[in-house]
Amino acid sequence: QSVLTQPPSASGTPGQRVTISCSGSSSNIGSNYVHWYQQLPGTAPKLLIYRNNQRPSGVPDRFSGSKSGTSASLAISGLRSEDEADYYCAAWDDSLSGRVFGGGTKLTVL
Amino acid sequence: EVQLVESGGGLVKPGGSLRLSCAASGFTFSSFNMNWVRQAPGKGLEWVSSISSSSTYIYYAESVRGRFTISRDNAKNSLFLQMNSLRAEDTAVYYCARGDSIGAPDYWGQGILVTVSS
Repeated sequence: QSVLTQPPSASGTPGQRVTISCSGSSSNIGSNYVHWYQQLPGTAPKLLIYRNNQRPSGVPDRFSGSKSGTSASLAISGLRSEDEADYYCAAWDDSLSGRVFGGGTKLTVL
Repeated sequence: EVQLVESGGGLVKPGGSLRLSCAASGFTFSSFNMNWVRQAPGKGLEWVSSISSSSTYIYYAESVRGRFTISRDNAKNSLFLQMNSLRAEDTAVYYCARGDSIGAPDYWGQGILVTVSS
């Protein structure tokens, strides 16, 4: 049972916009930055969004992040087949004094 | 280019020990926090431990506290994870990850498999 809650799966067709939610609490998302990671099959995770809504260089602007209260969201617009991957949210948890991850969302491009 | 290369994984019996290493290059290692994150087969990511740039601050997940020890050698650009009293549930790919300005993983190594089985 992950501290951060994500839907286990999401899907969309090419060109569509999909969003993935991440729900936490006041001790994690509510008081700390959220990061998002993309993990393509058989590879290491890659940083996609940092500090709630910032994109590292090289990440397309089709990817965007937002945060409100104790929840965060990752939006992917103009969905492409290469976006098919697992997506994870993460944040520091003040109560646990540790970093927590969501359980991951498997995105399928139909 | 940031590079993180893990080594030291393998098969170990329950109750045994293993020491993972992570060789860092392409950045000033001594200026960055570092992390270990693991992923059990077919499962999600689980943060294991973090260490600050000068080893002043160290944190562990509850699941490994008292059994695992994180350390670093800034002179050798290396990160370590000493794993004792290993259990079957510690079986996972272990990733070394650099911490950004707030310690969150930004660059990740390719991972190393640790299998705990008799």
